[in-house]
Amino acid sequence: DAGVTQSPTHLIKTRGQHVTLRCSPISGHKSVSWYQQVLGQGPQFIFQYYEKEERGRGNFPDRFSARQFPNYSSELNVNALLLGDSALYLCASSPGRFPPSGGYTFGSGTRLTVV
Amino acid sequence: AQKVTQAQTEISVVEKEDVTLDCVYETRDTTYYLFWYKQPPSGELVFLIRRNSFDEQNEISGRYSWNFQKSTSSFNFTITASQVVDSAVYFCALSDYNQGGKLIFGQGTELSVKP
Repeated sequence: DAGVTQSPTHLIKTRGQHVTLRCSPISGHKSVSWYQQVLGQGPQFIFQYYEKEERGRGNFPDRFSARQFPNYSSELNVNALLLGDSALYLCASSPGRFPPSGGYTFGSGTRLTVV
Repeated sequence: AQKVTQAQTEISVVEKEDVTLDCVYETRDTTYYLFWYKQPPSGELVFLIRRNSFDEQNEISGRYSWNFQKSTSSFNFTITASQVVDSAVYFCALSDYNQGGKLIFGQGTELSVKP
């Protein structure tokens, strides 16, 4: 079975631009969460979507938004990019909303660089 | 407020040494989950263990063992007879039941195992 798939793997954008990151969860998983990991730090929670509804939001500005599609894949959108948005963006999937016994499964991430 | 502290930023050991990674957490919830993840240079977070707040039994999996003590709010991770392949950044994380799928990560401990 395919794991969590994220695209693109790397991305370079200019300040002020908009970016869309994509995540396909493991087949059968209905929950997708997004995390931002700045170099040298632990991942920070951005959003969780379950059954196409937002179930949790972290402490991020409104420039960050996301959605989940009927096939449970998800997009993370960031508007008006700032240099500080440069980070590894990780997607995690799970069968349900709450932590599964086997843990959340993470993708390899999208490395976003804002110049 | 929820918080995870990994006081050791970097640890360096020689192969075959035992090493313990410390994790201290803060939460007001009585139902919560604790995790350890491994992040190799490739960036993907690899699940190691999940422990719920009602299960204080220590766990051993091969060379890995975990010590959960609610009295000290600690969830420490020990690698016995370390190997070069154990070199990675290790993250401890907390998820409160009332927060759904939100994971709070520590800052991570970078483990370097030298031959």
